[in-house]
Amino acid sequence: GENVEQHPSTLSVQEGDSAVIKCTYSDSASNYFPWYKQELGKRPQLIIDIRSNVGEKKDQRIAVTLNKTAKHFSLHITETQPEDSAVYFCAATSGSARQLTFGSGTQLTVLP
Amino acid sequence: GAGVSQSPSNKVTEKGKDVELRCDPISGHTALYWYRQSLGQGLEFLIYFQGNSAPDKSGLPSDRFSAERTGGSVSTLTIQRTQQEDSAVYLCASVTGESSYGYTFGSGTRLTVV
Repeated sequence: GENVEQHPSTLSVQEGDSAVIKCTYSDSASNYFPWYKQELGKRPQLIIDIRSNVGEKKDQRIAVTLNKTAKHFSLHITETQPEDSAVYFCAATSGSARQLTFGSGTQLTVLP
Repeated sequence: GAGVSQSPSNKVTEKGKDVELRCDPISGHTALYWYRQSLGQGLEFLIYFQGNSAPDKSGLPSDRFSAERTGGSVSTLTIQRTQQEDSAVYLCASVTGESSYGYTFGSGTRLTVV
């Protein structure tokens, strides 16, 4: 089955700096890679996703890149703000798996 | 409703008791998933329902765990003879179709076994 590894487990950045979170996956058939943000005590919410037919996707201050050959994908947050502080989860799935396999999460802290 | 609703939001139970957790998915969503999130950990897949198909139970950790989905809508996750290691947040997610694209999560049930 799919195995997703996520690094780092914790990340602290100064407000205004960029943050990068990286994930690797094992199943070469995986074709969908979402990222979820979970604030303390709240539900995970989808912030951006990418499918295997593109290499990069941007949405304002957030971008995701995908390297299918190396089987890794990354979340980039630019101009970080204190409200970006949360746990971020990457995930991967293939059509045959039908469920998402999640990484272990990254606690991002943006210091004012 | 507008979102995925889970109840109760918090449940404290004594070791050995049975508990039932409920999930009301978004109306019209045919796929429903249960995940478990232990403190400071990622999300662990438990079970998946799709329409009238047999559920994928491959993630259930033991035979004390079971789930059903009635009428293709509401789902109930049952944990029998609860153990302390069952303490976690149980999250439900629904999706419009057969794929796992675009989960919408409920707010979860925090289960504490004492």
